[in-house]
Amino acid sequence: SSELTQDPAVSVALGQTVRLTCQGDSLRNNYASWYQLRPGQAPLLVMYGENNRPSGIPDRFSGSASGNTASLTITGAQAEDDADYYCHSRDSRDNQYLFGTGTQVTVL
Amino acid sequence: QVQLQESGPGLVEPSETLSLTCTVSGGSFSSIIYYWAWIRQSPGKGLEWIGSVFYSGTASYNPSLRSRVTMSIDTSKKQFSLHLSSVTAADTAIYYCVREVELMYYFDFWGQGTRVAVSS
Repeated sequence: SSELTQDPAVSVALGQTVRLTCQGDSLRNNYASWYQLRPGQAPLLVMYGENNRPSGIPDRFSGSASGNTASLTITGAQAEDDADYYCHSRDSRDNQYLFGTGTQVTVL
Repeated sequence: QVQLQESGPGLVEPSETLSLTCTVSGGSFSSIIYYWAWIRQSPGKGLEWIGSVFYSGTASYNPSLRSRVTMSIDTSKKQFSLHLSSVTAADTAIYYCVREVELMYYFDFWGQGTRVAVSS
């Protein structure tokens, strides 16, 4: 089956920019969506489609895609962005839903 | 604002059936543009999609769990349920109920999650 691969962990200085990537064959035909997970809180959708932010998500979050890679960029990271981030997409070949391996973002 | 709330036992014995219910408030429950899904996160691991059910009762499941999973829906109560049979310790996880947007394939509202441990 297909997989979605993410870097296990990244760190970013407060106010700086960090780009998270998600790689997988399913991304050639489907957009990724991105989720923020913080302990004790419900997971939060932060990006979907080509580059769409749900209501309430700050515009420092942006998305992009090219080939088999989707990216989530946080421009001007804030302390509250310290969290785990998971990408997700549908695999058109077998209608299975895939989640990435997750990236732990540490804001220094 | 859409809110989802999971309910069910926090402890299930091995080989038994895990049953959870999600109650939805706010928004349209019987809309043709939404599916209702279950997603779990095992300790120290990532997210795993379990399955999704449409308001009509049509469901799709993760192939790796298909033989053990059944999902149902009750539109009159605005609830949907998960039944996972023959559980083992590997099914210990936080279980989330989630709203899925059809054709766009993303999950826009999540419950807080409920911890389920499989142990005797």
